[in-house]
Amino acid sequence: GENVEQHPSTLSVQEGDSAVIKCTYSDSASNYFPWYKQELGKGPQLIIDIRSNVGEKKDQRIAVTLNKTAKHFSLHITETQPEDSAVYFCAASNHTNAGKSTFGDGTTLTVKP
Amino acid sequence: DTAVSQTPKYLVTQMGNDKSIKCEQNLGHDTMYWYKQDSKKFLKIMFSYNNKELIINETVPNRFSPKSPDKAHLNLHINSLELGDSAVYFCASSHGRENTEAFFGQGTRLTVV
Repeated sequence: GENVEQHPSTLSVQEGDSAVIKCTYSDSASNYFPWYKQELGKGPQLIIDIRSNVGEKKDQRIAVTLNKTAKHFSLHITETQPEDSAVYFCAASNHTNAGKSTFGDGTTLTVKP
Repeated sequence: DTAVSQTPKYLVTQMGNDKSIKCEQNLGHDTMYWYKQDSKKFLKIMFSYNNKELIINETVPNRFSPKSPDKAHLNLHINSLELGDSAVYFCASSHGRENTEAFFGQGTRLTVV
């Protein structure tokens, strides 16, 4: 089955700096890669996703890159703000597994004011 | 509000008891899931239902039994609760069986004492 590894497990940055979280996956059939943000006491919420026919996607301060050959994808947050502090999860899935996503172990991001 | 809602939000119970967590979504989605998040924040899928049909059943003890009376509801019943069952349980839903965003409920924090 799919295996997703996520690094780092914790990340601390100063407000205004950039943050990068990296994930690797094992199943070359995976073709959908969502990123979720989980704030304290809440459920995960999608912030951006990318499909395998695209190498990069950007939404304001958030961008995701995908390297299918190397089987890794990354989340980039620029101009970080204290409200970006949360746990971030990457995930991978493919159309043959009934929408089941395999999640990375999460990254706790702390943005210091 | 359109959402995935689960009840209760908190559940404290003694070992050996039987308890249920309810989940409802009014997003018109066909697929619903149960995830378990442990104390290290790892998020693991337990079950997935598509149009009331079980399509994913990960390695979960038989004490856990999902029930889907209709495609808008997926309840989780747990028999003979054990200390190790303590975790946050998330219900989620998505559109169809293809790769799309999963919408998560707010979670149920289960504490077994």
